[in-house]
Amino acid sequence: DVKVTQSSRYLVKRTGEKVFLECVQDMDHENMFWYRQDPGLGLRLIYFSYDVKMKEKGDIPEGYSVSREKKERFSLILESASTNQTSMYLCASRQTGTALSYEQYFGPGTRLTVT
Amino acid sequence: QKEVEQNSGPLSVPEGAIASLNCTYSDRGSQSFFWYRQYSGKSPELIMSIYSNGDKEDGRFTAQLNKASQYVSLLIRDSQPSDSATYLCAVKKRPNDYKLSFGAGTTVTVRA
Repeated sequence: DVKVTQSSRYLVKRTGEKVFLECVQDMDHENMFWYRQDPGLGLRLIYFSYDVKMKEKGDIPEGYSVSREKKERFSLILESASTNQTSMYLCASRQTGTALSYEQYFGPGTRLTVT
Repeated sequence: QKEVEQNSGPLSVPEGAIASLNCTYSDRGSQSFFWYRQYSGKSPELIMSIYSNGDKEDGRFTAQLNKASQYVSLLIRDSQPSDSATYLCAVKKRPNDYKLSFGAGTTVTVRA
């Protein structure tokens, strides 16, 4: 069964703290993604990785960095958390496949609150 | 102009009725279209994908695509309370794209 897990469901951090969000997939997928989801704005792509050690900026990378040292693990890092980074963070993965098919499998999400 | 736009909602329908959700996209060359369902507090799950003009049916769900009008819709027939969720439209623009562009979602409530 397909599985994407995230390290925490809920997280509360203080402004200025360094925050690590971890995502692990057990499907041997090449592609992994980090999104944030805010009411009225939908899912916005922060970063994605198309293979180990490869990464590309998404639509809103400012204030974030990522790390992918192993195929199954993709980490999102908030170098200095700010209150405007309070959000739901969703990780997803996908196998590189045919040109048209494109199922992304999502993790359960991490609700981050920065106070 | 947003890349993907959906009805703002919320959409409230009685049990047994048809729920109709609409989505428009800005890039005329977009190739693939997807509908995700997201229950409150849960992560999105894929329910339909469509690549060619016309209708695609899967159980009570029908996706409709009109590339000339840059429009994709989702119909939910015989709506059930369990269909109450937020529905996200997603678009993949090019065959080699890694990423999807998502709409903001439409929240559907099915009244028993």
